[in-house]
Amino acid sequence: EAQVTQNPRYLITVTGKKLTVTCSQNMNHEYMSWYRQDPGLGLRQIYYSMNVEVTDKGDVPEGYKVSRKEKRNFPLILESPSPNQTSLYFCASSFQRGAGDTQYFGPGTRLTVL
Amino acid sequence: SQKIEQNSEALNIQEGKTATLTCNYTNYSPAYLQWYRQDPGRGPVFLLLIRENEKEKRKERLKVTFDTTLKQSLFHITASQPADSATYLCALVVNAGKSTFGDGTTLTVKP
Repeated sequence: EAQVTQNPRYLITVTGKKLTVTCSQNMNHEYMSWYRQDPGLGLRQIYYSMNVEVTDKGDVPEGYKVSRKEKRNFPLILESPSPNQTSLYFCASSFQRGAGDTQYFGPGTRLTVL
Repeated sequence: SQKIEQNSEALNIQEGKTATLTCNYTNYSPAYLQWYRQDPGRGPVFLLLIRENEKEKRKERLKVTFDTTLKQSLFHITASQPADSATYLCALVVNAGKSTFGDGTTLTVKP
């Protein structure tokens, strides 16, 4: 089944404890992206990747890192999480035209930073 | 500053009527505009894409229009059903990488 998977789905952590949220897609998509969704602020783009080893900042990249070493994986790294990073995170991928193509979203990761 | 606004946070309509959702934007020149559906606790699901040089797109009971002069897109669901109840998001794509979403409109279709 074609899909985008994220792990973990739920995570409660403490301030400053490094964490990684994994994202994997099995559709051979070139484009991948991370978003966070907060009430009243909508879905905001954190980072995106047009292809392997090519990443760029979205609208809210502060406090996050990403890497794209393989086509299928696009992990989101929080080196020192803070409470304002408590949010619902979504990974998405698309085939070729980047964000202008159909984006397939993962199920989301709900992160709470205490 | 750049802004995307979707009409009222909530829209309630009767089953069988046409739902019309609005997406207005300022200070963008999008190449594409997309509409997604999001159900509670789930990721958005792509519905329709319209390009800057297109005026209208249809898919089954869905229709989207795009007016780059008014900087507005309208999203219509005809013959609405309770199963259409969800939050609908519009997204502007200015370049291949960056995608900017509106806050969404929550549609409730009452039987």
